[in-house]
Amino acid sequence: DSGVTQTPKHLITATGQRVTLRCSPRSGDLSVYWYQQSLDQGLQFLIQYYNGEERAKGNILERFSAQQFPDLHSELNLSSLELGDSALYFCASSVRPSSSGGGGTQYFGPGTRLLVL
Amino acid sequence: KNEVEQSPQNLTAQEGEFITINCSYSVGISALHWLQQHPGGGIVSLFMLSSGKKKHGRLIATINIQEKHSSLHITASHPRDSAVYICAASNYGGSQGNLIFGKGTKLSVKP
Repeated sequence: DSGVTQTPKHLITATGQRVTLRCSPRSGDLSVYWYQQSLDQGLQFLIQYYNGEERAKGNILERFSAQQFPDLHSELNLSSLELGDSALYFCASSVRPSSSGGGGTQYFGPGTRLLVL
Repeated sequence: KNEVEQSPQNLTAQEGEFITINCSYSVGISALHWLQQHPGGGIVSLFMLSSGKKKHGRLIATINIQEKHSSLHITASHPRDSAVYICAASNYGGSQGNLIFGKGTKLSVKP
């Protein structure tokens, strides 16, 4: 158990819908990262937050947004869903931001498996 | 060309064999991560290294910064080592050190 929790574990929805994925980082970790893993693209970095502030964006679509709350949990919002958004979404946390010497070890949550029909 | 390349893509070994997975990267890095993804999907961080060598149990990770190359070794492999092993480069500079992933090496260890 990494100490990072993600809910829900599975999500089935229809095209055009909006969903919210939730992540609680490990106790003491201030950085939260969101990743997408699809069959054709592999793992891709989406976005990073550190202590409530956005630190970096990767290959995140405009239809997607995220935030980190004062209690450090984070939510990833996916809207106008398309079939191609079906993937595993992972959250990870670390003590430092990745810009600080790589950020330290990242601890991954169990992931949310999203299926868009 | 991908910024992080792994080889081999697939690897089948007999229990007890010594295993090596290779990772080459073309970007400047602040650290190199090795991750293990179990068949159920969960990801575990095995190593983060920026120089030299690290060892944890039967796993050894090495990195050569000049050659931009890292290796993950598994000694005395066991069927429970069967998983996908992913190399990821923490890219400093404009991307704020965020991870760029290789496509993974699927390892299957037969009893």
